[in-house]
Amino acid sequence: AQSVAQPEDQVNVAEGNPLTVKCTYSVSGNPYLFWYVQYPNRGLQFLLKYITGDNLVKGSYGFEAEFNKSQTSFHLKKPSALVSDSALYFCAVRVFSSGSARQLTFGSGTQLTVLP
Amino acid sequence: DTEVTQTPKHLVMGMTNKKSLKCEQHMGHRAMYWYKQKAKKPPELMFVYSYEKLSINESVPSRFSPECPNSSLLNLHLHALQPEDSALYLCASSQDINSNTGELFFGEGSRLTVL
Repeated sequence: AQSVAQPEDQVNVAEGNPLTVKCTYSVSGNPYLFWYVQYPNRGLQFLLKYITGDNLVKGSYGFEAEFNKSQTSFHLKKPSALVSDSALYFCAVRVFSSGSARQLTFGSGTQLTVLP
Repeated sequence: DTEVTQTPKHLVMGMTNKKSLKCEQHMGHRAMYWYKQKAKKPPELMFVYSYEKLSINESVPSRFSPECPNSSLLNLHLHALQPEDSALYLCASSQDINSNTGELFFGEGSRLTVL
């Protein structure tokens, strides 16, 4: 089984402040973890992924995420938020083992609003 | 800019109409997907094609009929839809259904309204 939880439906942050969007996961096996962003009336855009290796993953638009195995978390972070970062963010997990992969499981989404 | 192209961007149809959504990718990907997304909700998987064969059907009603004419194209044929089928329909592709990199590339979606 595999699942992800995004505990916050809404995150508000002031422009220029650091932002964090939280994600925790539950899997049987080794997780592949992803962050996607969705701007209004657009499709999902891939931001970054963790497959293996360095726990700190850097992605597009200055975002990064830290994989924490002991806390089963994969929080998305950015040191200085921009108003243009306001969007809907989805965490997703996929388990890959024995030559096959489960399909992506998405979290419920977190609406990020960056206030000017 | 997305490398997965979906047409039309918007579609309004009556419950008796027949219409189709189209998706195209030229990344050489061998897995293609249809998702349905309601407002502010995560995408829900509908169908997965692997090497042009239907691999996964997530118990989708038969009024939705997918088709994969070739490795670059994916269609979703719509017939006798219900108002609750109104949603954003997203197409996606990935290198392979079992790719160990795993990320999906999404199109911009087709917003469907059923009257």
